Amino acid sequence: QQPVQSPQAVILREGEDAVINCSSSKALYSVHWYRQKHGEAPVFLMILLKGGEQKGHDKISASFNEKKQQSSLYLTASQLSYSGTYFCGTHAYSGAGSYQLTFGKGTKLSVIP
Amino acid sequence: EAEVAQSPRYKITEKSQAVAFWCDPISGHATLYWYRQILGQGPELLVQFQDESVVDDSQLPKDRFSAERLKGVDSTLKIQPAELGDSAMYLCASSLAGAFTEAFFGQGTRLTVV
Repeated sequence: QQPVQSPQAVILREGEDAVINCSSSKALYSVHWYRQKHGEAPVFLMILLKGGEQKGHDKISASFNEKKQQSSLYLTASQLSYSGTYFCGTHAYSGAGSYQLTFGKGTKLSVIP
Repeated sequence: EAEVAQSPRYKITEKSQAVAFWCDPISGHATLYWYRQILGQGPELLVQFQDESVVDDSQLPKDRFSAERLKGVDSTLKIQPAELGDSAMYLCASSLAGAFTEAFFGQGTRLTVV
């Protein structure tokens, strides 16, 4: 089942902060975050494996609340290069020993000068 | 740095023709995914392989789509016959295995059906 992302779109001025949320109705084993620029493939940002885990990459960080089946991506002091569409991908058990990696519809982030 | 290779990058085909896409995952990656992405939407899983076996193809339109990964390495996705609604980006991704490893995407194949 597809995770739900919010907001659908956000516009920031350089230096502002943003939070993107991702939630699922299924029990999650991991949460992946990707950024995709127009016409390009999604680029892996980070993976969170445990409830309560937080990770950071430059000024982009994320948290994973396993009990609530939610994850949030935090972008701090945004830069023009942060513009793109952010996707969360969730690994959930799909039966027969396999885990399905399913993506949300994305959050379009636009950073303006 | 190892990458997922896909070809062709772009494909234009006429309605009712057959079309095939190829993917070579990162060496050692047992899990291979094929996704379809329509402009403005998230990637939609079509089929997932673990080595040479299909572990999930519940979203694959099997009347016209087929996928194989014969030796558990590279993979081919085929559409026959292509329809106008198949126009999309077809993305291949690979990961080591299971739910605890990151997946890496190839550059994708942009399909236009005319």
